[in-house]
Amino acid sequence: DQQVKQNSPSLSVQEGRISILNCDYTNSMFDYFLWYKKYPAEGPTFLISISSIKDKNEDGRFTVFLNKSAKHLSLHIVPSQPGDSAVYFCAASGRGDMRFGAGTRLTVKP
Amino acid sequence: DAGVIQSPRHEVTEMGQEVTLRCKPISGHDYLFWYRQTMMRGLELLIYFNNNVPIDDSGMPEDRFSAKMPNASFSTLKIQPSEPRDSAVYFCASSFPSYLNEQFFGPGTRLTVL
Repeated sequence: DQQVKQNSPSLSVQEGRISILNCDYTNSMFDYFLWYKKYPAEGPTFLISISSIKDKNEDGRFTVFLNKSAKHLSLHIVPSQPGDSAVYFCAASGRGDMRFGAGTRLTVKP
Repeated sequence: DAGVIQSPRHEVTEMGQEVTLRCKPISGHDYLFWYRQTMMRGLELLIYFNNNVPIDDSGMPEDRFSAKMPNASFSTLKIQPSEPRDSAVYFCASSFPSYLNEQFFGPGTRLTVL
C-alpha cells in the first residue's frame, strides 16, 4: 500500500534550468511533508519541509509547493546545479504515521 | 556531535544466519527509526521508538525481524534467520522532539544475504 508515491523514478535536466520533482499522497491525515536528498553511500539528509497550513515554503534555490485538495506536493530547484544530482525522497507524516516515497533520481547535466 | 552511528557498514552473511545491526542515535534525540531501502520499494519505515519504547512496528516484515532499544543511546535490529530477500540497505535515524521533525540518518548498513 503505497501511501506516498513518486511516479517518476528519474529526471534529467540541464544545469541552470528548473528541476521539478513531484509527489502524491493518499492519506488525508498527513499534515506535515518533508523532502530529503540522498547521495550514494550516504544516508538521506533533510532538505525542506512544509506544514499543511501552508501552500508554499521557500529556502534559497529550493521551494516546496503543497496542493492539499489534489494531495500533491512538488519540489522546485532553481537554478539546478550538478551538485544537486542525487535521489530525492518525499515523506509525509501525521497522526503517528510516517511514509516515504520510493525516490526520484535527479541528474543535472553540466 | 558525530551524528547517527551505524555498524557494521557492510555485512555479508549466508542464508539462515543471524544478523544484528546496531545504531547509536544523536545524543538527546528521543525518537529512533529503522528503515530499509530497496530498489523495488524505496525507503520503508520498519519500526520507530520514542523514549526507548517501540511505538509502531507495523512495518516490520515478519517475525524474523526484531528490534530493541535497551537505552537511549543504543538500538539493534536483528534478523533471524536471514534470507536472500533481506538484502538491502538498512538505515537508522533519530529526531527530536517529535517524529514530525527532520530526521538525521546514519550512513546505513548494506546487508547481503547469500
